[in-house]
Amino acid sequence: GAVVSQHPSWVICKSGTSVKIECRSLDFQATTMFWYRQFPKQSLMLMATSNEGSKATYEQGVEKDKFLINHASLTLSTLTVTSAHPEDSSFYICSAPSPARTYNEQFFGPGTRLTVL
Amino acid sequence: AQSVTQLGSHVSVSEGALVLLRCNYSSSVPPYLFWYVQYPNQGLQLLLKYTSAATLVKGINGFEAEFKKSETSFHLTKPSAHMSDAAEYFCAVSEYGGGSEKLVFGKGTKLTVNP
Repeated sequence: GAVVSQHPSWVICKSGTSVKIECRSLDFQATTMFWYRQFPKQSLMLMATSNEGSKATYEQGVEKDKFLINHASLTLSTLTVTSAHPEDSSFYICSAPSPARTYNEQFFGPGTRLTVL
Repeated sequence: AQSVTQLGSHVSVSEGALVLLRCNYSSSVPPYLFWYVQYPNQGLQLLLKYTSAATLVKGINGFEAEFKKSETSFHLTKPSAHMSDAAEYFCAVSEYGGGSEKLVFGKGTKLTVNP
């Protein structure tokens, strides 16, 4: 099956700094990627849809200036958490639609654990 | 709008016992339905998906799910639980036809398997 990777797998940063998380589709191209946030023991909440060559589409309530998304190529999307604060600590997961674009199936990355001190 | 309800945030079974994880959906159009499994600190792995081809869907690791339109349900089952099945399970719904590729997830069910 299609493989999606994320880097880093975990990151610890100080409050006020910015953190960049990469999401790559390793063996297929993805014009769309999705970014989710998962709080401990909770479900995944879609934050935004990343679109190659155009602006990301953010879900209601997600601060676009806080969570910057750049879909630089057909295999790479990045999420930058700007001026991170402890409340931004969470598990961030990206996904990409199946290359066959059937049934809306998505392939998920392994996630990035962000801890803001 | 689509939604998913997973009944039971925690399910505990003995090794070798039947696993039943419940999922009910709400969708205005024929849905695509998915079950994903998540192990601690990992991403989601697809167990199986319903795409209208067959109401009984078989997935990986011995899991299967039955789509029941009349009950708007898509419950996940496994005849005999293994210790390795202990994980978090998420049911998700997506709208048919590609109008939107968004997945809407249920709150998840944590499965514990006791020796």
